[in-house]
Amino acid sequence: GAVVSQHPSWVICKSGTSVKIECRSLDFQATTMFWYRQFPKQSLMLMATSNEGSKATYEQGVEKDKFLINHASLTLSTLTVTSAHPEDSSFYICSARDLRRDYNEQFFGPGTRLTVL
Amino acid sequence: DQQVKQNSPSLSVQEGRISILNCDYTNSMFDYFLWYKKYPAEGPTFLISISSIKDKNEDGRFTVFLNKSAKHLSLHIVPSQPGDSAVYFCAASGGSFNQGGKLIFGQGTELSVKP
Repeated sequence: GAVVSQHPSWVICKSGTSVKIECRSLDFQATTMFWYRQFPKQSLMLMATSNEGSKATYEQGVEKDKFLINHASLTLSTLTVTSAHPEDSSFYICSARDLRRDYNEQFFGPGTRLTVL
Repeated sequence: DQQVKQNSPSLSVQEGRISILNCDYTNSMFDYFLWYKKYPAEGPTFLISISSIKDKNEDGRFTVFLNKSAKHLSLHIVPSQPGDSAVYFCAASGGSFNQGGKLIFGQGTELSVKP
């Protein structure tokens, strides 16, 4: 149980285009999902907290107009990188909290590698 | 301001021996701590956690120790196996009324277990 999937697993796009990444909880409902990005050899940096049915909460320094988050259902959150630029190239990981389990536990997706040319 | 720190970027251990990974934190409001294992280009996998009301939690070969006064926790892996080779992240949470359940991650320690 507590499986989280992400799609796509990798994407290459041209500078200026927008890319949508999906995060799904496959066997549980998640009112809260989190989006992280990780640069090579660095820690996971929380970008935003996605709450079902309400606006996402962004961490300081993260542009909400650039990283659009939608959490339309209890099993799906999407992150759209708008007008992507090479500096947005990174490994994006989502996580979800299982309502049936401890409040603090998060289950992570496999990540999405974004490369912007 | 790095609230969760893993000061050792790498650790090399012989198979069968003990691996000890360390983590320090600065925020006294943290009350739940987790360890995750991560392979390159994959998402982190949950290993073990501990609440601040405990000082030890054990699960098979993995034991986490928490020293609240020192704001320090450690993960012990005994015996270490080559399959344990990965990057290990510690993470801290402020609980349901603080931080919104967000996890703050350390920088990670790359463990290499040699046969």
